[in-house]
Parts: sequence; C-alpha cells; structure tokens
Amino acid sequence: GNSVTQMEGPVTLSEEAFLTINCTYTATGYPSLFWYVQYPGEGLQLLLKATKADDKGSNKGFEATYRKETTSFHLEKGSVQVSDSAVYFCALRGTQGGSEKLVFGKGTKLTVNP
Amino acid sequence: DAMVIQNPRYQVTQFGKPVTLSCSQTLNHNVMYWYQQKSSQAPKLLFHYYDKDFNNEADTPDNFQSRRPNTSFCFLDIRSPGLGDAAMYLCATSFRTSGVGYTFGSGTRLTVV
Repeated sequence: GNSVTQMEGPVTLSEEAFLTINCTYTATGYPSLFWYVQYPGEGLQLLLKATKADDKGSNKGFEATYRKETTSFHLEKGSVQVSDSAVYFCALRGTQGGSEKLVFGKGTKLTVNP
Repeated sequence: DAMVIQNPRYQVTQFGKPVTLSCSQTLNHNVMYWYQQKSSQAPKLLFHYYDKDFNNEADTPDNFQSRRPNTSFCFLDIRSPGLGDAAMYLCATSFRTSGVGYTFGSGTRLTVV
C-alpha cells in the first residue's frame, strides 16, 4: 500500500537558518504529493503541492520538488522565521481505485528560536 | 470565503455521556472526512462520506458513528466517550480526485472528564 516516511523531529533552528525536512514515499502509479502545516491548537493547512514528476510546489518561501527517480518530496526554506514554528506533515494521495485517500507521514515538529 | 467550520472548538464531556461534534462546509465538496489526532501524532482517519456513501475504516471503534444529512454538514457521534477518546477531532473535505488536497477545519479539542 501507499506510505510516506518523513524525517523524525524535533528540529530546532535559529532564525534565518536553512531548513530541510526529508520526505520519501512508496506508491503505485503517479500520486500527488502535499505538505501540510499545523500550528499549535489548529487544524492542518495545505502549504504546497505537486501533482506530477518534476513539479515544484512553492508557498510562503517554502519549496518542494516531486522527484520520481528518488521517490522524494523534501521540504526546503532558505531562511526560517520564528513564525514558521509548527508541525509539518508530508502526504500523498494515490490515483488508483481505493487509494485516493490522503496518507500522512508522522509529522516533523519545527521550532525556530530568535 | 469558502471554508470548513467545526463547532465547537473545545468540548468537555463526561465519561460515558454521548457527545456530537459538527462540521459544515461551503466548498460543495463531495467527500467529507473525520480524523482523530492525539498529541504529537499524525491524524488518523476514522471514516469518510463520498456523497451519501459511508466508508468506515477497519480499525475505527464501534463507539464512533457519523451522519451526513446533506452535502454541507457532517456529524461525529461518540456514543460512550472514554478517557482514551480525548483528542483533537479534525473534519476535512475534498473532491474525489487525486490531484486535489483536503481542506481541513480548525478542529474540536475534546476533553473527557
């Protein structure tokens, strides 16, 4: 079945540091890939997505590229801010019958210190 | 703005006393989902409705039920809440196509006393 593996946290960075959160996936066919962000006490918000190989999703300075050859969708940001402190979830949505449900990774908690 | 709204944001219920959480959407999505999220964990899918077609996850306890009276509303009923059911409950909606993400509500934090 489909699955997502993302790097375990927590991750602690200083403001303006470079961020990478690794995410790899296992899926049949050509899934769509997503990054969600969850701020404390809130629901999940879609951060960015990519629907086919080599697509780059971007939003709020975050980027991720759909790499089919390495089955990866790593999240990056060049300069993090304190306000980026949150939990980040990588997810995929399959294309084949019965696999359209969103499958989440376990989440990575990011703390950014001033 | 089109959105997913969950009420209430915080719910306190007594052990064993039935409780209902609600979700409404203005996105006209045909699929609505209920997730349970415990602290520091990924959301766990309980069930979903594709239009009026109810789909239960295999490991969802019988204690959890759901109703979808129309396209816009969906309810989560917990018949006899236990202490282990304390969690954040998230409602999400989507179209049934793979390239589209889910839209989540802000969640209901359930406390069982």
